[in-house]
Amino acid sequence: AQTVTQSQPEMSVQEAETVTLSCTYDTSESDYYLFWYKQPPSRQMILVIRQEAYKQQNATENRFSVNFQKAAKSFSLKISDSQLGDAAMYFCALYNAGNMLTFGGGTRLMVKP
Amino acid sequence: NAGVTQTPKFQVLKTGQSMTLQCAQDMNHEYMSWYRQDPGMGLRLIHYSVGAGITDQGEVPNGYNVSRSTTEDFPLRLLSAAPSQTSVYFCASSYSPTGTDTQYFGPGTRLTVL
Repeated sequence: AQTVTQSQPEMSVQEAETVTLSCTYDTSESDYYLFWYKQPPSRQMILVIRQEAYKQQNATENRFSVNFQKAAKSFSLKISDSQLGDAAMYFCALYNAGNMLTFGGGTRLMVKP
Repeated sequence: NAGVTQTPKFQVLKTGQSMTLQCAQDMNHEYMSWYRQDPGMGLRLIHYSVGAGITDQGEVPNGYNVSRSTTEDFPLRLLSAAPSQTSVYFCASSYSPTGTDTQYFGPGTRLTVL
């Protein structure tokens, strides 16, 4: 079985500052994909960033980047220049060839003006 | 494109009642799935489908049935509702039949079982 752990139930960041959300995972597969999803109060799940395990280069999407440490099974999300609209629940997720997408418990991010 | 749509948005059931949550997508996606989200937890996979006529169980399938007669629709049936099924249900789809592509989520259905 694969697991995803987010050890920070809540995080807070000042507007325009940088914040890093942690995620660790466990899987016996060598080929898998990692995702960060954002869930605002509207409950819609929005893909933030995606990382293929076979790629060594860390994925980036504008202000969002990841630090993917495959040996340590760590996949953290860095948000730069935080904006009020970034406030949401963030979920880390792991997908492998068994067609299972496993989510972590989530981190609530608060952005202070 | 409407994307992934779910109906109803809210539903209250009594224990033992049955109902169907509807999910449809207009993106011609092969992969569709159902998740439930309980308070303070991430999403857990109930059932998924890699194409019309093909379904499989996820992490928490008990008490739920699915079918996939068309590419567009993937209804979730609660056979005999129980209070433990009170949750928010999300349907998702992706182009890749293996689900490795971006998953698009519907807006969710909040279900309460009394």
